[in-house]
Amino acid sequence: SQQGEEDPQALSIQEGENATMNCSYKTSINNLQWYRQNSGRGLVHLILIRSNEREKHSGRLRVTLDTSKKSSSLLITASRAADTASYFCATDASTGGFKTIFGAGTRLFVKA
Amino acid sequence: EPEVTQTPSHQVTQMGQEVILRCVPISNHLYFYWYRQILGQKVEFLVSFYNNEISEKSEIFDDQFSVERPDGSNFTLKIRSTKLEDSAMYFCASSEGVAGNTGELFFGEGSRLTVL
Repeated sequence: SQQGEEDPQALSIQEGENATMNCSYKTSINNLQWYRQNSGRGLVHLILIRSNEREKHSGRLRVTLDTSKKSSSLLITASRAADTASYFCATDASTGGFKTIFGAGTRLFVKA
Repeated sequence: EPEVTQTPSHQVTQMGQEVILRCVPISNHLYFYWYRQILGQKVEFLVSFYNNEISEKSEIFDDQFSVERPDGSNFTLKIRSTKLEDSAMYFCASSEGVAGNTGELFFGEGSRLTVL
C-alpha cells in the first residue's frame, strides 16, 4: 500500500509551541499533500509538495519531503487553540490513475 | 468561493435499502472522488471518476456501489443494499487535475449515513 502513516497518532501542546507531525509512505509519489479536518467536518487542503521539492512554506506551516526516506513532516509554528484538528498526509501515486490516499492522521490538541 | 456541496447531510436507512448520496463538484473541475470515514478512523478512498468513467476504485468499492454523473453537474454514489458496516461519513471531492496528477482535492462537508 502507498498509504501514508502519520506519527504521532495524537499530540497535545500548549498554545505558542510548535507542533511537528511526521508521515511515511511506501511507494513512489508525484506529490504529497497535507490536509486538516476539524471534528465532523470535511477535509481542507493545507499544502502540496511535489516530489522534486524538499521544503515548502505557507504562513505558519512548513513542510519537508525526503523522497529517499519516503517521509514528510509538517511543522506548525506558534500554534493556536484554533489549530486543534486532525492532520492527514495524502499521497498521489506516480503510476497513473487518479487516486489520492490518506494516512491515519495525527490528532493535534492545542491548549489555550 | 466555489465549493463542493453534498446532500443529504445525514441519512438514516434500514439495512438492505438503497441509498443515493449526491454531490455537486466545483464547476470547472474534471476529477471527482468519493471517500468514506468511519467515525474516528482514517479517510478511505472509494473511487475516482474522470471523463465519465471510473478511473480507480478500491477493494471497498464492490458491486454494491456505483457512481454516476447523470447531468453534467451532479455526481452520485449509490449503495444498492446497505449493510450495517456501511455506516460512515461519505465525502465527495473534486479537483482540477494538473498534468495528469490529482492535485489539490476540494472536499464537501460530507453525508453521514446511518444504517439500522
